[in-house]
Amino acid sequence: GAVVSQHPSWVICKSGTSVKIECRSLDFQATTMFWYRQFPKQSLMLMATSNEGSKATYEQGVEKDKFLINHASLTLSTLTVTSAHPEDSSFYICSARGLAGGLGNEQFFGPGTRLTVL
Amino acid sequence: AQKVTQAQTEISVVEKEDVTLDCVYETRDTTYYLFWYKQPPSGELVFLIRRNSFDEQNEISGRYSWNFQKSTSSFNFTITASQVVDSAVYFCALVNYGGSQGNLIFGKGTKLSVKP
Repeated sequence: GAVVSQHPSWVICKSGTSVKIECRSLDFQATTMFWYRQFPKQSLMLMATSNEGSKATYEQGVEKDKFLINHASLTLSTLTVTSAHPEDSSFYICSARGLAGGLGNEQFFGPGTRLTVL
Repeated sequence: AQKVTQAQTEISVVEKEDVTLDCVYETRDTTYYLFWYKQPPSGELVFLIRRNSFDEQNEISGRYSWNFQKSTSSFNFTITASQVVDSAVYFCALVNYGGSQGNLIFGKGTKLSVKP
């Protein structure tokens, strides 16, 4: 089946630093990748949608200058949390959708990255 | 507007009991997909089922079964003879592809605790 990896699986950083999270589709090409954030005991909330080679589309209330998304290839998208603060501590999950006609519109989720900002 | 409602925040059952998790959705689109995911304590989402809006057949997979009723906009999930390993948070989700990027709309989740 289609596999999506995320790296790192967890990260602890100091307030004010930047953290980069990678999302890779290992065995398929992903034209679209989604980034979700999940706070403890809450649901997944979509942060942004990224299409390969174009700028990401951010959901209302998500600061694009703080959460930088790059989708430079069909197998890799990165989320950079810039100048992280304790309130950014959360579980970040990416998903990837394959090319239409191939894997169709199915979304495949990564295992998530747990970010703790001290 | 699209919305998924999981009214049950937490459910606790004893092993071997049957349990039904409710999911009600709202969408104006005629073509859409509904999903159920399981999220164990590790956090990784586990895909359980996808159903498209044109297929109202109920589905059974082992101890799991799903009841899709468009008339009531519901897509309920039943676990028969629950086991401790079923303890997790379960999310119902909706996506449509008509003119959108196809992002998933999640319900708030139902935390299921199965006690031995």
